[in-house]
Amino acid sequence: AQSVTQPDIHITVSEGASLELRCNYSYGATPYLFWYVQSPGQGLQLLLKYFSGDTLVQGIKGFEAEFKRSQSSFNLRKPSVHWSDAAEYFCAVGASSGNTPLVFGKGTRLSVIA
Amino acid sequence: EPEVTQTPSHQVTQMGQEVILRCVPISNHLYFYWYRQILGQKVEFLVSFYNNEISEKSEIFDDQFSVERPDGSNFTLKIRSTKLEDSAMYFCASSAGFMAEAFFGQGTRLTVV
Repeated sequence: AQSVTQPDIHITVSEGASLELRCNYSYGATPYLFWYVQSPGQGLQLLLKYFSGDTLVQGIKGFEAEFKRSQSSFNLRKPSVHWSDAAEYFCAVGASSGNTPLVFGKGTRLSVIA
Repeated sequence: EPEVTQTPSHQVTQMGQEVILRCVPISNHLYFYWYRQILGQKVEFLVSFYNNEISEKSEIFDDQFSVERPDGSNFTLKIRSTKLEDSAMYFCASSAGFMAEAFFGQGTRLTVV
């Protein structure tokens, strides 16, 4: 069965510092991987996705993520965090066949301090 | 930009009452989903809907839950007899096709008292 682990429940970074949010997945076949962001009171917005090809994917708002099959990871990165990036971040995995729904991790809450 | 719309944004209901959560997916999308997020927990899949029928459902989606696309534009989730543990944020999502990006609504916060 698919599963997603986000080991960090809460991360605090200073504005302007770099950020890396960890995501590990378990899936028997080729995974499709996603990062979503949820701002307070908002829905889930897709930041980026990986289906195939280049393992480093670029997303919106200056985020990028790297797929590492050997480590079953899909970590999200941003070189310089802005205060508006404070939100909850969810990693999700989907199957490569069929209409299988996404499985989400528990989320990592990002706080940004001045 | 097209978006998924959910109403109401917040619903309070008494235990045992029926609730209907409404969603208007993006108009040319074919796949529809309901997810829920209990406070402080992860987003959990409830059900997916395609071609006017349920294509997959989780073990959470028991006989108390049902979905409907009554008029070709709305997509509803009905909880027949609400329980306290149904209190959660419910998200509707839609996608244009298989493995296309799923667009999520802003959610309906359901509080069962």
